[in-house]
Amino acid sequence: DMKVTQMPRYLIKRMGENVLLECGQDMSHETMYWYRQDPGLGLQLIYISYDVDSNSEGDIPKGYRVSRKKREHFSLILDSAKTNQTSVYFCASSLSWGKGQNTLYFGAGTRLSVL
Amino acid sequence: GDSVTQTEGPVTVSESESLIINCTYSATSIAYPNLFWYVRYPGEGLQLLLKVITAGQKGSSRGFEATYNKETTSFHLQKASVQESDSAVYYCALGGPGGYKVVFGSGTRLLVSP
Repeated sequence: DMKVTQMPRYLIKRMGENVLLECGQDMSHETMYWYRQDPGLGLQLIYISYDVDSNSEGDIPKGYRVSRKKREHFSLILDSAKTNQTSVYFCASSLSWGKGQNTLYFGAGTRLSVL
Repeated sequence: GDSVTQTEGPVTVSESESLIINCTYSATSIAYPNLFWYVRYPGEGLQLLLKVITAGQKGSSRGFEATYNKETTSFHLQKASVQESDSAVYYCALGGPGGYKVVFGSGTRLLVSP
């Protein structure tokens, strides 16, 4: 079954706490992504991962870091969360980078509230 | 930079009526952009609805159609007769053919009333 799974689906944290968002995919896709979406804005790219331990900043990486130790798993970490990081976070994957396989497969999203 | 602008929602349509969601794009760093429509149903992630990689071509899926118009830099989504099950958020997007990062519009929420 082709699936991208995000955990948790909903999360409430206090400002200054650390946050871990997890994403898994069962399609052996090389490339994975983290996006966030705020009201009235398109999805904004935070990080891209081309494969294990091969990560690249997207458009809005400040305040975030990522980890990819296994091809099927990609984590987004917020060290000392801020209230302006309240958002909906989407993980996505695609077959590979640079080979015309640019269809993205998305998880259902994680709604994060930082109080 | 590269950007996508689409109809601001929500868009409310009665069942069996026609629909158009406008999308225009600017691709300054991508020579031959691919254009996409993604859809997000309640409680689910975005999924590809249709994709067109060549200017002048039309894509279609589930009764939806969109034509890649390079002259007007548009990729409007149309459906002749919507159903209640089409209620969702629709995202227009552009990307490079080589897997370049994909740029999304802000999404248009469609509400279809019975």
